[in-house]
Order: sequence, then C-alpha cells, then structure tokens
Amino acid sequence: NAGVTQTPKFRVLKTGQSMTLLCAQDMNHEYMYWYRQDPGMGLRLIHYSVGEGTTAKGEVPDGYNVSRLKKQNFLLGLESAAPSQTSVYFCASRLTGFRFQPQHFGDGTRLSIL
Amino acid sequence: AQSVTQLDSQVPVFEEAPVELRCNYSSSVSVYLFWYVQYPNQGLQLLLKYLSGSTLVESINGFEAEFNKSQTSFHLRKPSVHISDTAEYFCAVSDSTGFQKLVFGTGTRLLVSP
Repeated sequence: NAGVTQTPKFRVLKTGQSMTLLCAQDMNHEYMYWYRQDPGMGLRLIHYSVGEGTTAKGEVPDGYNVSRLKKQNFLLGLESAAPSQTSVYFCASRLTGFRFQPQHFGDGTRLSIL
Repeated sequence: AQSVTQLDSQVPVFEEAPVELRCNYSSSVSVYLFWYVQYPNQGLQLLLKYLSGSTLVESINGFEAEFNKSQTSFHLRKPSVHISDTAEYFCAVSDSTGFQKLVFGTGTRLLVSP
C-alpha cells in the first residue's frame, strides 16, 4: 500500500543544472499537486493537475514545469536550477467527486542547490 | 484571494497540559478549513476539517477545532497533550470549488516536554 511515492528523497544540484522530480500514486487519483515548503512560509502550491494530460499553475509556478502523461505520475521539472529553489518539495493527490476527498501527501524531496 | 495567519511559530507545553494553536483566515468567499499535522521527515496528514454544518469538529486523537465565522478563526485545541503530539501543525484554507487549492499558514511547532 504505497500511496504517494516521491523520487528522489534527497538531491544536491549546482546552479544551472536541470532535474526532474517524480511523484507516483497508486490510488487512481485524478488530482495531483506539487508544493514547496520553506522555513517560515508554510507550503505553497507550484502546479497542479486535474487529470491526465492537463496541468495548471499554482501560486509560485515560475522556474518550474510539469507534465502528467500518465494518470499515476506527476513530474516536476527544474530546467535551470537556482539557489532560490532550495526547498522541500511535496507531492499530493486526491480523488474527485461530490463528497470531500482529502489530499494524500508524499514524504517529500529535499533539494539543495549550490 | 485567501490567506491564513498562524501567529505562534512555536508553542512549548508540558505533557498533560491543555494547548491551543491559533489560526485566523481571510477570504471573500465561502471556505473549507483544515488542520494538517507533519511529523519529522514526513509529509502532511489531515488532522481535521470543517466543510459545513457543526462548527465544532473533532479528530480521532483528541484534537478539536471550532469554526468561528465572525472572528474568522479556526483554532485547534486539545485538553491534554502527549509527548507524541510533538509535531508541526498547519492550518489551511481552500475555496469551495472542486480544485481544492490549499493555502497554508506558516505552521506552529508544538513541543511537548515531560
């Protein structure tokens, strides 16, 4: 019963490098989200997806791209990493429906950019 | 736009003492309100939620929160805390549309000591 799995758990990058964070969920959830968590700022929404092939911008989308080619996967890309993107990144997913469905969170990816 | 204010960044308390974590929100539309808990090196877990109906909501582990529309507050309380309640607690708000884009407060670290 994996739930939401984030890969990798830790990564150190140099400024200007690129990388992709993977979020995988095995609960057949339609909605998926990417957040970043910074000290003293709580979690902020980067991008979200309401289904396969669709994505939308959240509160802080600049410097990030996302893709949802398969329902179970939501990828977050950094094309040219900057020190300001040092953060802990969380993925979440949830079902849709008329009744409230909570978001299920992964354990996070700690990303440091030097 | 919505916003959430958690005035206390850290709340130290002794075991078996009562605790209140404060949360105030701002919104021009109807909202859903949430409390999430984050244990070290883990993702967020939904603790309790207010969607509609009774303004007092409870969790399975003894926490409760009361929605106060006139004071735009959703404070979290527990009459007697345990060491295991040590964690970071986030208040969050979303509008009542289907996207459930959460806006989080900056978090309150609850430190329970013997």
